Amino acid sequence: GAVVSQHPSRVICKSGTSVKIECRSLDFQATTMFWYRQFPKQSLMLMATSNEGSKATYEQGVEKDKFLINHASLTLSTLTVTSAHPEDSSFYICSARTPLAGMGEQYFGPGTRLTVT
Amino acid sequence: AQSVTQPDIHITVSEGASLELRCNYSYGATPYLFWYVQSPGQGLQLLLKYFSGDTLVQGIKGFEAEFKRSQSSFNLRKPSVHWSDAAEYFCAVGGRGGGADGLTFGKGTHLIIQP
Repeated sequence: GAVVSQHPSRVICKSGTSVKIECRSLDFQATTMFWYRQFPKQSLMLMATSNEGSKATYEQGVEKDKFLINHASLTLSTLTVTSAHPEDSSFYICSARTPLAGMGEQYFGPGTRLTVT
Repeated sequence: AQSVTQPDIHITVSEGASLELRCNYSYGATPYLFWYVQSPGQGLQLLLKYFSGDTLVQGIKGFEAEFKRSQSSFNLRKPSVHWSDAAEYFCAVGGRGGGADGLTFGKGTHLIIQP
């Protein structure tokens, strides 16, 4: 149980275009989803927190107009990188939690590798 | 602000030897503490967690960790490593905001297993 999927696993896009990444909780309802960014050989940095049906809360320094997050249902959150630039190339990881889980516990997706050319 | 320090970027251990990965955290109160493992192409897998109670916690795959409040540490240990343990290990801290907080991760420790 507690499986989180991400699609696509890899995506290459041209500079200036937008790309959407999906995060789905497959066997549970996720009241809260989180989006992280991981640079090569580095740690995961929290980008934003989204609760179903409400606006996402972005961490300081994360451009909300560039990284659009939508959590339209209890099983799906999307991250859209708008007007992508090469510096947006990174590994994006989502996680999800349910009130039924242990306190603070999150279930992570396998990540999406974004390359902007 | 909370933070996590993993002082060892790389650690090399012989197969069958014991392992200790260090983690120090900074937080205003007692946080939630986690250890995750990340293998290439895999999502983060939770090894163990500490919320309260017994300061020595047991996890999956034979791992354990000890919470030491006086040292602000949560070191991960395994008595005998296997080649399959080679991976990236992350220590993380979460706030007690009703579980609605994202996690703060350390930079990770890359574990290499020598035959």
